[in-house]
Amino acid sequence: NAGVTQTPKFRVLKTGQSMTLLCAQDMNHEYMYWYRQDPGMGLRLIHYSVGEGTTAKGEVPDGYNVSRLKKQNFLLGLESAAPSQTSVYFCASSKTGEGGEQYFGPGTRLTVT
Amino acid sequence: SQKIEQNSEALNIQEGKTATLTCNYTNYSPAYLQWYRQDPGRGPVFLLLIRENEKEKRKERLKVTFDTTLKQSLFHITASQPADSATYLCALDDDYKLSFGAGTTVTVRA
Repeated sequence: NAGVTQTPKFRVLKTGQSMTLLCAQDMNHEYMYWYRQDPGMGLRLIHYSVGEGTTAKGEVPDGYNVSRLKKQNFLLGLESAAPSQTSVYFCASSKTGEGGEQYFGPGTRLTVT
Repeated sequence: SQKIEQNSEALNIQEGKTATLTCNYTNYSPAYLQWYRQDPGRGPVFLLLIRENEKEKRKERLKVTFDTTLKQSLFHITASQPADSATYLCALDDDYKLSFGAGTTVTVRA
């Protein structure tokens, strides 16, 4: 079991460029989440999904889009990157939404110049 | 507004001592609370879950308490070891999602 994997591990973008972060899980989990982590601010939820084909907004969704076409994959897109989106992005998955422990990927460090 | 506050300062303790971390929250009514460990450059790893009707939960050298009246959870690491050095995050149930605190960094000196 690979658990939760994220691609890429590092990326540098110029302002205005777009990119997609890929998250994959092999645990057959229904729920998947995208967070960003900034120094001193903890993890903040960007978008989440409660099942294949569904997505919902979290705490900080502006500037991001997501898709969950397959149960095992959750994609996070940045349409026009801004320096404020410089952060470490974590994907997580859980079997259930209520009380379910979340399994996190290793993170993607994104720098926008 | 909703707020989750963990120890504002890092915790430095001697090996063998007990580390006590606090997690205070306002304007939440969580049915459960979770604790995670995060090492530098890695994703968080789940440690413990405690439900609102449970006062205390233990796992090996870890102990968590949950006081819904005080709106507080305490996380204890007993007989601490240098390998316990990490950042510890509390997370609250927020309508089938989790809201995380900023974390407390613990350093255990040998």
